[in-house]
Amino acid sequence: SAVISQKPSRDICQRGTSLTIQCQVDSQVTMMFWYRQQPGQSLTLIATANQGSEATYESGFVIDKFPISRPNLTFSTLTVSNMSPEDSSIYLCSVALTSGQETQYFGPGTRLLVL
Amino acid sequence: DQQVKQNSPSLSVQEGRISILNCDYTNSMFDYFLWYKKYPAEGPTFLISISSIKDKNEDGRFTVFLNKSAKHLSLHIVPSQPGDSAVYFCAASPLYTGTASKLTFGTGTRLQVTL
Repeated sequence: SAVISQKPSRDICQRGTSLTIQCQVDSQVTMMFWYRQQPGQSLTLIATANQGSEATYESGFVIDKFPISRPNLTFSTLTVSNMSPEDSSIYLCSVALTSGQETQYFGPGTRLLVL
Repeated sequence: DQQVKQNSPSLSVQEGRISILNCDYTNSMFDYFLWYKKYPAEGPTFLISISSIKDKNEDGRFTVFLNKSAKHLSLHIVPSQPGDSAVYFCAASPLYTGTASKLTFGTGTRLQVTL
């Protein structure tokens, strides 16, 4: 498995501001992902963070709103831009590993509340 | 369009008994399936997975069954323990990705194991 940390663990932000969430992995991984879990909802994939190139966004998510950086194989950031109360969610990063079986491992999440 | 469905939002089981959590999917392209457990304020923890070439995979107290023709999978926990109380998510990944990427999650089932 992989040890994944996220910063911050939680934050309360004002609408119109931006927040950058950091994700650090204890080993080099090829595939990193960002998910959102809105209150009472399931996890939804926002984008795949590609090292050295632009992230690949899922339908309904755009780079201007959720810019992502992936400067190396152990680190990624997700920015939630121009926040509104609808952005209040848990944001999670994950990595895909192959060690006998394919799986994704998740970080602890960042709980965001936008007022 | 919810491609992965967990129709039971909650389940209560007595300690020592079997817990059966169900998951249905609609997308025929899904080829790889995973179960995650999530405690409050933590990220999802990987439990067990199964690929479409199998109909059963077992790991300790956890067994996952896959019925491809019915597009249905289930997670059995035997015997259930109080520490199993959590929200359980099933997730599916399409064949063409080649890895456990682009996961689509179900809405989750909250399992309560009572004494």
